[in-house]
Amino acid sequence: EAEVAQSPRYKITEKSQAVAFWCDPISGHATLYWYRQILGQGPELLVQFQDESVVDDSQLPKDRFSAERLKGVDSTLKIQPAELGDSAMYLCASSLIGGSNSPLHFGNGTRLTVT
Amino acid sequence: AQSVTQLDSHVSVSEGTPVLLRCNYSSSYSPSLFWYVQHPNKGLQLLLKYTSAATLVKGINGFEAEFKKSETSFHLTKPSAHMSDAAEYFCVVSVGQGGKLIFGQGTELSVKP
Repeated sequence: EAEVAQSPRYKITEKSQAVAFWCDPISGHATLYWYRQILGQGPELLVQFQDESVVDDSQLPKDRFSAERLKGVDSTLKIQPAELGDSAMYLCASSLIGGSNSPLHFGNGTRLTVT
Repeated sequence: AQSVTQLDSHVSVSEGTPVLLRCNYSSSYSPSLFWYVQHPNKGLQLLLKYTSAATLVKGINGFEAEFKKSETSFHLTKPSAHMSDAAEYFCVVSVGQGGKLIFGQGTELSVKP
């Protein structure tokens, strides 16, 4: 079964440094999501792409976070500068067409620790 | 605004006994509701979804959930727990046309031998 690929699996960085995460969705999936999951909480949406366009980034802290999906396939999420409160699991998900009837497929996530 | 509330942060059962994970939702119209499971250090896997067809929804691994509009509930059940069911379970509501998911806080299920 096709999977959403994420890398790296784990990342430790010092505060004020830059960090980037990569996601490769299931082939053919038009919608891509980045979620942040703080320990002990449910995931929260950071940004949603439809092909290469951002359709929802209302919860993305735009002063330090950026996301792109230039060719409408894989995506990169960047944090610069990282802060201690950014320590979390960053999950990428994709779906075929978006919408409530199109199930999300999640990757295994990138666990970020900021020291 | 749409939201979900998971009533228990932790549930512990013995292997072979029934599982009940409780979820209440808040929505101004008929919602799309989901249950996802997350095993340690893994991504989330869809267990089942409700999208206004049958009120009793059957999912994978023997789980099912019943949509009760009068009680605004969508509780997850399984007749007999297995050790492999130990994980974090999330009740989720879909918002808007774009499929944005709003997650509950999660319920950690422990299964004792």
